[in-house]
Amino acid sequence: EAQVTQNPRYLITVTGKKLTVTCSQNMNHEYMSWYRQDPGLGLRQIYYSMNVEVTDKGDVPEGYKVSRKEKRNFPLILESPSPNQTSLYFCASSLLTSTDTQYFGPGTRLTVL
Amino acid sequence: DAKTTQPTSMDCAEGRAANLPCNHSTISGNEYVYWYRQIHSQGPQYIIHGLKNNETNEMASLIITEDRKSSTLILPHATLRDTAVYYCIVRVHGGATNKLIFGTGTLLAVQP
Repeated sequence: EAQVTQNPRYLITVTGKKLTVTCSQNMNHEYMSWYRQDPGLGLRQIYYSMNVEVTDKGDVPEGYKVSRKEKRNFPLILESPSPNQTSLYFCASSLLTSTDTQYFGPGTRLTVL
Repeated sequence: DAKTTQPTSMDCAEGRAANLPCNHSTISGNEYVYWYRQIHSQGPQYIIHGLKNNETNEMASLIITEDRKSSTLILPHATLRDTAVYYCIVRVHGGATNKLIFGTGTLLAVQP
């Protein structure tokens, strides 16, 4: 089954404790992206990647890192999480020629205390 | 990407057709209309898209007016599982802007 998976689905952590949210897709998509969703602010893009070893900042990249060492994986790294990064995070992927139809993961609900 | 306007919320009886409107009066000739939905806190799900002709797939139908200034997403037989926020997005197909810009959408509540 074609899908985007994220782990963990739920995470409660404390300020400053490094964490990684993994994202994996099995559709051989070149394009992958991370969004965060907050009440009243909608979905905002954090980082995106057009292909392996190619990443770029979205609208709200501060406090986040990403890497794209393999085509299928696009982990989101929070080196020193802060409470304002408490949010619902979504990973998405698509063909590079069709970023209009993106496939989204199930989401990761992160709480930073 | 052209701006879209959708009602904040709508109700629909289970088994009836749900008709969700979207206004996009500033749409340009090369912009498509896309519909996504988000069931409570799940990842958004692509539904359908079109340029000027009406489109139908296994999930829904998309009706675009002749002047392309508005469109309607039709769920022919709504079920409780169709309760979700529905987003209408207008953008150039394969355009340079890779991110999807979701507005506030329409919360469709399907009632039993």
